[in-house]
Amino acid sequence: EDKVVQSPLSLVVHEGDTVTLNCSYEVTNFRSLLWYKQEKKAPTFLFMLTSSGIEKKSGRLSSILDKKELFSILNITATQTGDSAVYLCAGGANFGNEKLTFGTGTRLTIIP
Amino acid sequence: NAGVTQTPKFRVLKTGQSMTLLCAQDMNHEYMYWYRQDPGMGLRLIHYSVGEGTTAKGEVPDGYNVSRLKKQNFLLGLESAAPSQTSVYFCASSYSRTKKTDTQYFGPGTRLTVL
Repeated sequence: EDKVVQSPLSLVVHEGDTVTLNCSYEVTNFRSLLWYKQEKKAPTFLFMLTSSGIEKKSGRLSSILDKKELFSILNITATQTGDSAVYLCAGGANFGNEKLTFGTGTRLTIIP
Repeated sequence: NAGVTQTPKFRVLKTGQSMTLLCAQDMNHEYMYWYRQDPGMGLRLIHYSVGEGTTAKGEVPDGYNVSRLKKQNFLLGLESAAPSQTSVYFCASSYSRTKKTDTQYFGPGTRLTVL
């Protein structure tokens, strides 16, 4: 059974800090690792990673995948209160398994 | 584009009642999914569909049925609601895997309470 584990479960930091969120996965026929941000509504897509060692970046957010060690990290620099959310990661498999396996998320709280 | 829409946004049911949740997408996506989200449990897949007229079970299918009569719509039915089905339900859609992307786009959710 495929599994995605995120750590920490929750994190509280001050505005301006840098945070690193972790995601480890066990997905048969692994193909992709996705990150989502969920505020008080639907998850919104952040990144999809398929190749090891290639950083994806969007503003203050960046993510990288390590397919040898089966994990990914999401970094947020110079955090702002608007970054407060639950961050979800999910693993996707190759064709024939059309589902994503989600982790339970990391709840990030930014204190002003 | 409206993206993925869900109807209704909120609903309260009594135990044993039935209801249907409607999901619609206007992105011409082949795949559609129904998830439930409970505190501490993350997103759990109920049922999904890889095309019109096809459905498949996910991780937690018991007590739910689905239908995909049209490509743009995916219906989730509860035949006899139970308090354990109190949850937030999300619909999502995506292109098929032949498009080399696994990104799923989510609807706004339906908050269901079963008394």
